[in-house]
Amino acid sequence: GAVVSQHPSRVICKSGTSVKIECRSLDFQATTMFWYRQFPKQSLMLMATSNEGSKATYEQGVEKDKFLINHASLTLSTLTVTSAHPEDSSFYICSASRTGGSPLHFGNGTRLTVT
Amino acid sequence: AQKITQTQPGMFVQEKEAVTLDCTYDTSDQSYGLFWYKQPSSGEMIFLIYQGSYDEQNATEGRYSLNFQKARKSANLVISASQLGDSAMYFCAMREGSRYSSASKIIFGSGTRLSIRP
Repeated sequence: GAVVSQHPSRVICKSGTSVKIECRSLDFQATTMFWYRQFPKQSLMLMATSNEGSKATYEQGVEKDKFLINHASLTLSTLTVTSAHPEDSSFYICSASRTGGSPLHFGNGTRLTVT
Repeated sequence: AQKITQTQPGMFVQEKEAVTLDCTYDTSDQSYGLFWYKQPSSGEMIFLIYQGSYDEQNATEGRYSLNFQKARKSANLVISASQLGDSAMYFCAMREGSRYSSASKIIFGSGTRLSIRP
């Protein structure tokens, strides 16, 4: 069964609104989670590393004020897309692993459409 | 900086044939891990196989095997006896650092779209 749960799976919102995406590790504690973004027919691009109890580490070119990440507990990380615009429309997917030698387990992703 | 290269954007293979998906990587770390994931049209990421940089034998998982050529920095995925359900995007990925550090990020190659012909 799934070990990482992501919600919602699909969201449509109006331009200017904010959207929160949740990522939960179901049967293990994850001090670190990762957020990826995937455009159609492209690869997964790492956006940020979410660290429990501390600030997220953002990849170059990713606006931290635009994509707010909160990792308040060992099983939950949230990504908030603030003041969303149509160019933010994409597939967002989170992941976590039990240990570094373990594979990353992925949520099922969130397809965001901003109208 | 670490880098993953997949040079085959798309491949067509006849059902029941074996197929090799190429992956080369670049890293200055001695300790790293290599992964292959399958992404069907539904979007979920399915873990297939893992190879550690210090593993002496090539990893195998059922019909999947990883042809690890450390000196060439390649980690090709071999799928034996392909099935129609194997049609999907396949991503090679790499994680640097200690195998026990869950904080090491994983980066992905550009992917290969595999299509199996009946």
